[in-house]
This record gives sequence, structure tokens and C-alpha cells, in this order.
Amino acid sequence: ELKVEQNPLFLSMQEGKNYTIYCNYSTTSDRLYWYRQDPGKSLESLFVLLSNGAVKQEGRLMASLDTKARLSTLHITAAVHDLSATYFCASLSFGNEKLTFGTGTRLTIIP
Amino acid sequence: KAGVTQTPRYLIKTRGQQVTLSCSPISGHRSVSWYQQTPGQGLQFLFEYFSETQRNKGNFPGRFSGRQFSNSRSEMNVSTLELGDSALYLCASSLSFPRSPQAFFGQGTRLTVV
Repeated sequence: ELKVEQNPLFLSMQEGKNYTIYCNYSTTSDRLYWYRQDPGKSLESLFVLLSNGAVKQEGRLMASLDTKARLSTLHITAAVHDLSATYFCASLSFGNEKLTFGTGTRLTIIP
Repeated sequence: KAGVTQTPRYLIKTRGQQVTLSCSPISGHRSVSWYQQTPGQGLQFLFEYFSETQRNKGNFPGRFSGRQFSNSRSEMNVSTLELGDSALYLCASSLSFPRSPQAFFGQGTRLTVV
């Protein structure tokens, strides 16, 4: 059974700093997703990573995928308050049509 | 382009009752998936429908059921509600989720069981 682990669970960081959220998954994955969720809101799709070595960037967020290490990272550059949210990674295993989500990382950016 | 519409947004039910939640996908999307989100268990997959057929089902009891209509709208039903069913229920719409590049989530239905 596919398991997805995220760390840290909680992250409090100052504006302007850089940090990385890690997402490990237990079995071979077909693709990896990153989502953002604001309090009381739905999930917003950030990135879809399809192959080993894939890197995608949008603004201050950059996601990468290493299928050999079964690891994806979400890197935050020069954090700003607007990035405060909960971030989820989700993995899709081969031959399976359901996403398995990580526990989420609650990110708080402190001015 | 209209997004994914879930109704109702909020619902309060009593233990033992049943509830039906609705999800209208984006026009042209044929796949609808349902997820339950709780503080304790996180986001868990319930089931996925494509062209009126359930393709996948998560590890939930038989009290949780769903269906999809010919217009791709989907409903999920929970019978004999328990306190632990209190959660945010999200549906996701895609051309053929999750193998499409992107899925779009609705705003969710927040169910409270008292």
C-alpha cells in the first residue's frame, strides 16, 4: 500500500527566508502532485510532476521530483506572508487511479 | 468557465440520519473523485467515477456510496451517520482523473454530525 510522508508538519518562518518541504512516498509512483489549501477552502493545484528530474517553478515556489529516491521537494524562496497555507503532496501509484495524500505541512510566514 | 460546484456547502445532521452530497464537474469533465478530509485522518480517497462507472473505491464502510449520472454530475450518500463522519467532503473533476495533467477541486461540503 502506498504511503506518503511529509515533513515538517508545521513550519513557521520569517519573511524573506528560504525553506524546503519534503515529501517521501513508499512505492514506485506514476506522478506527484502538490496542492495548496487555505483555511476553510478547497485544494488548489500547484504542480504536477511527471518524470524523474522534473522541476517546475511558479513565482516563489519550486517543486522537484526524484523518482529513484522516491522524494519530492517544494522549495520556498524569499517567503512572503501570502504563502501562508497548508501544502499537500499527493502520489499516484502505477495501476491505481486514486491519489494518496501526505499529512500536509502548515506553513506560517511571520512578518 | 465555471468551476466544480458542490452543494450544499454546509450541512448539520443528526446521528443515524442519512445525507446526500452533490458535485457538478467542470463542463466536459467525465471523471469525478470524492475525498474526505478530517483533522485526524487527513485527506482520504472515497471513490472515483468515470462515465457513470465506479472505477475505484477507498477503504470506507458500505455506508458510503456514490453514483454518477449521464451528465457527469455525481452524488455521494452516507447512511446511518456517525459522529466520526463529520468532515469536509471534497470532490475533484478532471477529464480522466487522476491521469489527466490536472484535477480541479470543488469548495467542499462541510458536514457536521451531532
